[in-house]
Amino acid sequence: EDQVTQSPEALRLQEGESSSLNCSYTVSGLRGLFWYRQDPGKGPEFLFTLYSAGEEKEKERLKATLTKKESFLHITAPKPEDSATYLCAVQAWNQFYFGTGTSLTVIP
Amino acid sequence: NAGVTQTPKFQVLKTGQSMTLQCAQDMNHEYMSWYRQDPGMGLRLIHYSVGAGITDQGEVPNGYNVSRSTTEDFPLRLLSAAPSQTSVYFCASSWGGPGNSPLHFGNGTRLTVT
Repeated sequence: EDQVTQSPEALRLQEGESSSLNCSYTVSGLRGLFWYRQDPGKGPEFLFTLYSAGEEKEKERLKATLTKKESFLHITAPKPEDSATYLCAVQAWNQFYFGTGTSLTVIP
Repeated sequence: NAGVTQTPKFQVLKTGQSMTLQCAQDMNHEYMSWYRQDPGMGLRLIHYSVGAGITDQGEVPNGYNVSRSTTEDFPLRLLSAAPSQTSVYFCASSWGGPGNSPLHFGNGTRLTVT
């Protein structure tokens, strides 16, 4: 069964305290892995696409990496404005499969 | 630069009522889709369309209908609302379909069925 699991469910960081979010997947026919950011009351906002193991993408304080079984979203020196829920999605054939997200809170 | 627009933002229905959730995009995207988001469940695909006149079922299609008469619009119809359909509904579109480009989401419709 195709499945996407994100951990931890929730994460509280002090401003400047770096950490990583995990997305593990078991999907047949993987065509891409996507990271999204979702703010309360808003739709998910696209961050990154990763297509093959070993690939990395960076944007400001965020860096996403991909292996054959999981992806990490590394957050370096986070700021309070990075507080949000981060969603991982994998695309297999004609559908996306979403994880339940990691709720990140960055405390000033 | 509107992107994906969903209306209404909030809706309360009584069990058995019907309604249509509207979705429009101005990016000329061929692929459009509807998801529901429930606590602890993640986003689940209801229906999707790869172009005008073409629709298909996703993971949780029961109780919902869709049609795609134009590239821009993809309405979602609830035929007879049930409390189990209380959820936040998101419309999303992409240029070339999953895998070719990321999904662009609207800001959702929060539906409560009493």
